Amino acid sequence: DFQMTQSPSSLSASVGDRVTITCRASRAISNYLAWYQQRPGKVPKLLIYAASTLQSGVPSRFSGSASGTDFTLTISSLQPEDVATYYCQNYDNAPLTFGGGTKVQIK
Amino acid sequence: EVQLLESGGDLVQPGGSLRLSCAASGFTFSSYTMGWVRQAPGKGLEWVSDISASGGNTYYAASVKGRFSISRDNSKNTLNLQMNSLRVEDSALYYCAKARISGSSYDYWGQGALVTVSS
Repeated sequence: DFQMTQSPSSLSASVGDRVTITCRASRAISNYLAWYQQRPGKVPKLLIYAASTLQSGVPSRFSGSASGTDFTLTISSLQPEDVATYYCQNYDNAPLTFGGGTKVQIK
Repeated sequence: EVQLLESGGDLVQPGGSLRLSCAASGFTFSSYTMGWVRQAPGKGLEWVSDISASGGNTYYAASVKGRFSISRDNSKNTLNLQMNSLRVEDSALYYCAKARISGSSYDYWGQGALVTVSS
């Protein structure tokens, strides 16, 4: 079965730190990869699509990159409002699998 | 402004049925793929189903295939999810979501409809 393996499952960092979250696909998915942010008690929000394209209105401290089947979400300078769970998702073919999520907290 | 409003969530017994609806506004509904994503309490996101803009193509997660049926009424800007043979593990908040383009990520989400399957 196809899988999206996301790591770490949680992290704690200081305001201003650079934060990196990784997703690995179990097969090639080209760049059909999205990242979502879900703040506590809120609806998921699209951050990045096509692996590295920033959705309109998303702060530029968020960025995405890809290398083969490895995908990375980077927050260049962590802010208090970035406390959330982040999910990756493939959309090349059904099933549109989500990663398990990474919970980001402030140290 | 894009709005997605789910309805139909309820408490249902195992083996029962439920129909969720999603009323869409603020965009040309008939031009976009739509989908359902669920989230069990305290758990991650799980994709459930997608339907193409015309309704001619539907896709399901293995966990719901054969039990759930997605449909849309483009004349009424409404997305539906018929859920049959419900199981305790189907309990979740069900989000209606709009695809950014066909076969794409979801750029707008509803607030969700809560489905609880329990005896």
